[in-house]
Amino acid sequence: SSELTQDPAVSVALGQTVRITCQGDSLRSYYASWYQQKPGQAPVLVIYGKNNRPSGIPDRFSGSSSGNTASFTITGAQAVDEADYYCNSRDSSGDHLVFGGGTKLTVL
Amino acid sequence: QITLKESGPTLVKPTQTLTLTCTFSGFSLSTSEVGVGWIRQPPGKALEWLALIFWDDDKRYSPSLKSRLTITKDTSKNQVVLTMTNIDPVDTATYYCAHKLAGGGSGDYFDYWGQGTLVTVSS
Repeated sequence: SSELTQDPAVSVALGQTVRITCQGDSLRSYYASWYQQKPGQAPVLVIYGKNNRPSGIPDRFSGSSSGNTASFTITGAQAVDEADYYCNSRDSSGDHLVFGGGTKLTVL
Repeated sequence: QITLKESGPTLVKPTQTLTLTCTFSGFSLSTSEVGVGWIRQPPGKALEWLALIFWDDDKRYSPSLKSRLTITKDTSKNQVVLTMTNIDPVDTATYYCAHKLAGGGSGDYFDYWGQGTLVTVSS
């Protein structure tokens, strides 16, 4: 089992706001990064650090963190946002990396 | 721009050693703070981090796979090689390499990924 825990599936109505969470003790000390993965494609970095978006990533995507939980939020979800989302950070030792189990986002 | 591409066998027999090569462009692994990692994804399952190598030859491995993995770099060829010994059908996955900067104020993240290469383990 992963040291970072994500809900397996989340759904959101078109145009509404959705939050995907990632829980783990290491998140008290380290930032999470977030990746979007669509079927048959490589993951794409969407959020890193405190709340940074790489160039070309929509500003409806944002990140936050509190305690042992990192959150990824889509404000005004679009159909194109339907994908799997993964968090990534260090493990509890701080010496290795780990991915969460992924969350499948469905836009209704 | 930064690009990465994985290459290696598509079919491997159990107990064999898998060797994968990541060939990249747009950056140098001799530049301070630069790293390349390997991540895999079994069909229909989650991403799993495997290994990481940095510009200064610092190497990190997944604790659960450490005994089977070796990561090396060839700076002159712009390549990173991952070897995995004693391959098993559960190692069937798409293997990705990705660019990373050493963790700093913005934490750890892989900002550029290769397209991935599917490796099937079967006799």
